[in-house]
Amino acid sequence: DTAVSQTPKYLVTQMGNDKSIKCEQNLGHDTMYWYKQDSKKFLKIMFSYNNKELIINETVPNRFSPKSPDKAHLNLHINSLELGDSAVYFCASSGTSGASSSYNEQFFGPGTRLTVL
Amino acid sequence: GNSVTQMEGPVTLSEEAFLTINCTYTATGYPSLFWYVQYPGEGLQLLLKATKADDKGSNKGFEATYRKETTSFHLEKGSVQVSDSAVYFCASTGGTSYGKLTFGQGTILTVHP
Repeated sequence: DTAVSQTPKYLVTQMGNDKSIKCEQNLGHDTMYWYKQDSKKFLKIMFSYNNKELIINETVPNRFSPKSPDKAHLNLHINSLELGDSAVYFCASSGTSGASSSYNEQFFGPGTRLTVL
Repeated sequence: GNSVTQMEGPVTLSEEAFLTINCTYTATGYPSLFWYVQYPGEGLQLLLKATKADDKGSNKGFEATYRKETTSFHLEKGSVQVSDSAVYFCASTGGTSYGKLTFGQGTILTVHP
């Protein structure tokens, strides 16, 4: 009964490949997020979706494309992988949208460690 | 935009020592403030939060008070345990940022027996 789950947990691939990371939450939340954590543990938001609609899109290369087929899922597809994409990617979800979501806890998945060789 | 600055780590303490991890923020509007903890090999968990000035968040012996006058949200614990070894992140949201969390750089805490 994991709240926010991600697959795969580890992903090792070659430069230039295309890969996807999947995220699912069973909390009934309507807002989901993708974060990137670099080797120095620094965390930065990449995207946020509310009710399948993109609401936050930080300065991220367009090789990264999020897709939300429904409120419970937010997948991350990465084209033409580069060495600098190696990181841990975290999915998160929270309960409400709009400014009031500032007060709501975000629940994080266990992370996907991506290694690009 | 919002920013969060945390005390540089890593921090190494002996069991039962007093812990302080400093955190200051800049934000437009009235941010909510959070401390998240990341245990080795795991995702982030919310440790505590405060949503307005002078609020004190507390959990598992950890405390932090939202100080608007000093724009700070320092994390404290009176007596740390080995099991508290983890990475601690201070984070804030802004009133118009639709839940976007801005994180500090993280502080690695190691507690020795």
